[in-house]
Amino acid sequence: GAGVSQSPSNKVTEKGKDVELRCDPISGHTALYWYRQSLGQGLEFLIYFQGNSAPDKSGLPSDRFSAERTGGSVSTLTIQRTQQEDSAVYLCASRSGYNEQFFGPGTRLTVL
Amino acid sequence: QQQVKQSPQSLIVQKGGISIINCAYENTAFDYFPWYQQFPGKGPALLIAIRPDVSEKKEGRFTISFNKSAKQFSLHIMDSQPGDSATYFCAASFGGATNKLIFGTGTLLAVQP
Repeated sequence: GAGVSQSPSNKVTEKGKDVELRCDPISGHTALYWYRQSLGQGLEFLIYFQGNSAPDKSGLPSDRFSAERTGGSVSTLTIQRTQQEDSAVYLCASRSGYNEQFFGPGTRLTVL
Repeated sequence: QQQVKQSPQSLIVQKGGISIINCAYENTAFDYFPWYQQFPGKGPALLIAIRPDVSEKKEGRFTISFNKSAKQFSLHIMDSQPGDSATYFCAASFGGATNKLIFGTGTLLAVQP
C-alpha cells in the first residue's frame, strides 16, 4: 500500500481485557514508531523499532504495554488488563530515509 | 527541556487571510522541526519541516520561519482557505538513534468563508 495502515480502526473493550493493535508500515521503511494521542496528554511517544536493533521502549507508560515487530515489517502493540485511562487514539508512524515520519490513521481504543 | 510550547490553542481566520501559529522550545539539541496537519478522524499528515541551518522554508502557501537564537519557529498559511481548517501540531526531534517527535499541544484552526 501507499501509506501506513492500522487495524482495527476502532476497538471497544471492557476494562481488564487485553487488546492487540496492528500496524503495517510503508514498504521499505525500517524505522517504526507508536504514539498515543489523548485529550489530556496530547501526542506522546510510546516505542520505537529500527531494524534488528533493540527497541526504544522509554515511552511505554506501564508494563501492561508491550510491542513487537515481526520480520522488520508489521508491528503489534499489546495492552494487557486495559484500564479506562488507556482510552486514546493509538498512532503508528514509519520513517523515511529523510527522517520524515508518516502516520497511519490510528486505532481509536475505548475502554468501558 | 523536552517540551515544545505551541500557541494559540485556537485560531479563527477569514478566508484569504494569513494564519500564524507559533512554537517555542528549550532544548538546543533539537535539529528537526516538522509541522503536521490533522483532520478529524485522521492521522497527522506531514505538512512541512525545517532544520536549524535555514531561517525560512516555503512550500506553496505554507511557510516555516525559524529563529534559532530565540528558539522559536512558526507556521504561516498564506491565503487561508476553508479546507485548511484542521488541527496543526508543531514538533521537534534531535539526532540520535530514536528521533522521536516531541509534539506541541496543537492549534485548532478555523477558516471562515
